[in-house]
Amino acid sequence: DSGVTQTPKHLITATGQRVTLRCSPRSGDLSVYWYQQSLDQGLQFLIQYYNGEERAKGNILERFSAQQFPDLHSELNLSSLELGDSALYFCASSRGLEGETQYFGPGTRLLVL
Amino acid sequence: LAKTTQPISMDSYEGQEVNITCSHNNIATNDYITWYQQFPSQGPRFIIQGYKTKVTNEVASLFIPADRKSSTLSLPRVSLSDTAVYYCLVGDSRGSTLGRLYFGRGTQLTVWP
Repeated sequence: DSGVTQTPKHLITATGQRVTLRCSPRSGDLSVYWYQQSLDQGLQFLIQYYNGEERAKGNILERFSAQQFPDLHSELNLSSLELGDSALYFCASSRGLEGETQYFGPGTRLLVL
Repeated sequence: LAKTTQPISMDSYEGQEVNITCSHNNIATNDYITWYQQFPSQGPRFIIQGYKTKVTNEVASLFIPADRKSSTLSLPRVSLSDTAVYYCLVGDSRGSTLGRLYFGRGTQLTVWP
């Protein structure tokens, strides 16, 4: 158990819909990262937050957004969902801002029908 | 970020030592080398990290030659439960740019009885 929690574990929805994925980092960790893992793309970095502020953006679509709240939990919002958004979404956390070991949550499996 | 190259797959038998080599010819002076393990439908798990020579922990050893253009993850006496994908990552050391991780396709290790 990494100490990172993600909810829900599974999510099934339809195209065009909007969903919210939630992540609680390990106690004391200030950075939260979001990753997407699909069969054809592998594990892709989406976005990073540090202490409530956005710090880095990776391959995140404009239809996707995220935020980190004062209690440090984070939410990833996916809107106008497409079939290709079906994937595993992982959240990771680390103590600080850069170059430290990241601890991954169990992931949320999203299926868009 | 330095690009990494590792074998797509490897097979081994229980009790054997497994060595997975990763090439990273463009590694920068400040870059660290980190290995993660991922089981199906789970988040990646940190295994080991090193900068040069040899690092050993309770699960693995990491060998890094003097030129640091490659590294070898060594798993002693593997068991069936070591069947997983192993990722080699290089870059984003402490104090540099950002803490995002770039995962390649990794090496699928299959351990047979």
